[in-house]
Amino acid sequence: NAGVMQNPRHLVRRRGQEARLRCSPMKGHSHVYWYRQLPEEGLKFMVYLQKENIIDESGMPKERFSAEFPKEGPSILRIQQVVRGDSAAYFCASSPGRVTYNEQFFGPGTRLTVL
Amino acid sequence: EDQVTQSPEALRLQEGESSSLNCSYTVSGLRGLFWYRQDPGKGPEFLFTLYSAGEEKEKERLKATLTKKESFLHITAPKPEDSATYLCAVVTTSGTYKYIFGTGTRLKVLA
Repeated sequence: NAGVMQNPRHLVRRRGQEARLRCSPMKGHSHVYWYRQLPEEGLKFMVYLQKENIIDESGMPKERFSAEFPKEGPSILRIQQVVRGDSAAYFCASSPGRVTYNEQFFGPGTRLTVL
Repeated sequence: EDQVTQSPEALRLQEGESSSLNCSYTVSGLRGLFWYRQDPGKGPEFLFTLYSAGEEKEKERLKATLTKKESFLHITAPKPEDSATYLCAVVTTSGTYKYIFGTGTRLKVLA
């Protein structure tokens, strides 16, 4: 009964490169959330997706960041032209998405370091 | 603006010394409040969900309670393995099911 899976666990990029972070939700979960945790700061919401739909992207920076959750395959968080300020831990969470609210289950995170 | 504040920021306890962590919230309307535990280098691990004032949940040495303005996480007779950062998050009635997190309480339990 696998939990939320994220890969890679660690990612190093040079300024200006692209970073792709992957998230596979728990089996049976159709809702995916991405959060960012900066050093010495709390977790901040970025985006909420259902299959093939972005439901809420109010926490996403307007430029360079995008997310998708295709019909098949994992959810992808893409950061183009990375800058040092993008260095952080990025967590994905999933929930079943039933009508009544459900708790979110988190993956182990991807730690992005921008050189 | 919806806001979640946790206190204290850090707490050191001797093994067996009970204490409480606080999570106060100012939101337009509360849909649910969630407690998580996070170990260094790992993702948050779900502990409890509370939906309405007066509700209580218990698990081993942990007990979570909820009022209209705050939640407490009571730790009874803690052990060194309880050392972690404890996070509180809320989901409000405005907007979608995103979490608004507090900055956490770093708990260290000394043997």
